[in-house]
Amino acid sequence: EIVLTQSPGTLSLSPGEGATLSCRASQTVSSNYLAWYQQKPGQAPRLLIYGASSRATGIPDRFSGSGSGTDFTLTISRLEPEDFAVYYCQQYGSSPETFGQGTKVEIK
Amino acid sequence: EEQLVESGGDLIQPGGSLRLSCAASGFTIRSHWMHWVRQAPGKGLVWVSRINGDGSSTNYADSVKGRFTISRDNAKNTLYLQMNSLRAEDTAVYYCARLSVTTFRFYSYYHGMDVWGQGTTVTVSS
Repeated sequence: EIVLTQSPGTLSLSPGEGATLSCRASQTVSSNYLAWYQQKPGQAPRLLIYGASSRATGIPDRFSGSGSGTDFTLTISRLEPEDFAVYYCQQYGSSPETFGQGTKVEIK
Repeated sequence: EEQLVESGGDLIQPGGSLRLSCAASGFTIRSHWMHWVRQAPGKGLVWVSRINGDGSSTNYADSVKGRFTISRDNAKNTLYLQMNSLRAEDTAVYYCARLSVTTFRFYSYYHGMDVWGQGTTVTVSS
């Protein structure tokens, strides 16, 4: 089983600032099948990034993903008020399709 | 609009059984791997199970193996999760999700879980 470790656990930032979220895998993620999801309270997760760096349909270009192998990053260039949420990485290259523990981006 | 709607969540006693359903509309589940993901109160997302397009291949998290069974009825465009021998630690919101795919020259490329249901709540308590 691939273990995904996200850091930091919480990020306290102001609107307009940039955010960098990290996801490290215990083994190489097959085919770079690494996704990022955003989840707000009481809502289902929303797909932001797939294949480590491709934006999902309708996702603003302030969200970008990078990385390969075992180290991946989600970058939010300028935080909008609606971006404050919890973000999860997930690898779907091998079963079980594990999730990271999440990074909460909160308003400073 | 492509949509998934879960149902079947309930308050159930430890040791009991429950069957969750996930009805799809706006697309055909036959073409997709389908997944169940759960989230305990105040906790993160945990993958539970998956099934391929024709139902011939299934996988489970170790925590539910032997107790949960995933299945699908492509004619009804519906995914199921049969949950037996339920424990307090199975208490969670259960989501179904579609794994997005495109196929080119007999090779499938996967694009993350792009359609999710709203979740159904399972509470295991006496």
